[in-house]
Amino acid sequence: DIQLTQSPSFLSASVGDRVTITCRASQGISSYLAWYQQKPGKAPELLIYAASTLQSGVPSRFSGSGSGTEFTLTISSLQPEDFATYYCQQLNSYPLTFGGGTKVEIK
Amino acid sequence: QVQLVESGGGVVQPGRSLRLSCAASGFTFSSYAMHWVRQAPGKGLEWVAVISNDGGNKYYADSVKGRFTISRDNSKNTLYLQMNTLTAEDTAVYYCARERETEGCDYWGQGTLVTVSS
Repeated sequence: DIQLTQSPSFLSASVGDRVTITCRASQGISSYLAWYQQKPGKAPELLIYAASTLQSGVPSRFSGSGSGTEFTLTISSLQPEDFATYYCQQLNSYPLTFGGGTKVEIK
Repeated sequence: QVQLVESGGGVVQPGRSLRLSCAASGFTFSSYAMHWVRQAPGKGLEWVAVISNDGGNKYYADSVKGRFTISRDNSKNTLYLQMNTLTAEDTAVYYCARERETEGCDYWGQGTLVTVSS
């Protein structure tokens, strides 16, 4: 099974900060990676698919990059509504797997 | 608009069974693979199972293989998850989600809580 390791697991940041979250895969997954945002008590929402393609309706301050085994999610200027937990997911092979999550909190 | 509405959650004793349903509307259900994803209280997301658009292919997480069965009825626009031999580790919110062709799950239900407890 493919393991996804997200780092950091927690980060504290201020409004306006640039934030980068990393997701590392235990083996190559090409660009079959998605990023989700989840707020407390809510279902996850798709932010990025195919490693770098922005889902329709997602603000352009979100971006994704990477391929193979290393991927990043970047928020260029953190907004109050971005404080949430972020997960990566690999769709390269079954069983599908999620990273452990990165909780972004207000500094 | 796309809607996914889960039902069937509740409190169940260890070793018993439960069937979850997910009613879909607002899209051509038979054109999409569908997933179940769960989240234990205070924990991260765990992928559970997927079924292809026609029901011909199914895959499971190792943690549920042999105990859970995913199925669908395209005539009723409904996805199911039959859960047998439940344990406390199966306690979670269960979400159904629509897959957009290996790109990820673009629509999710609100989730239904399953609590396994004596």
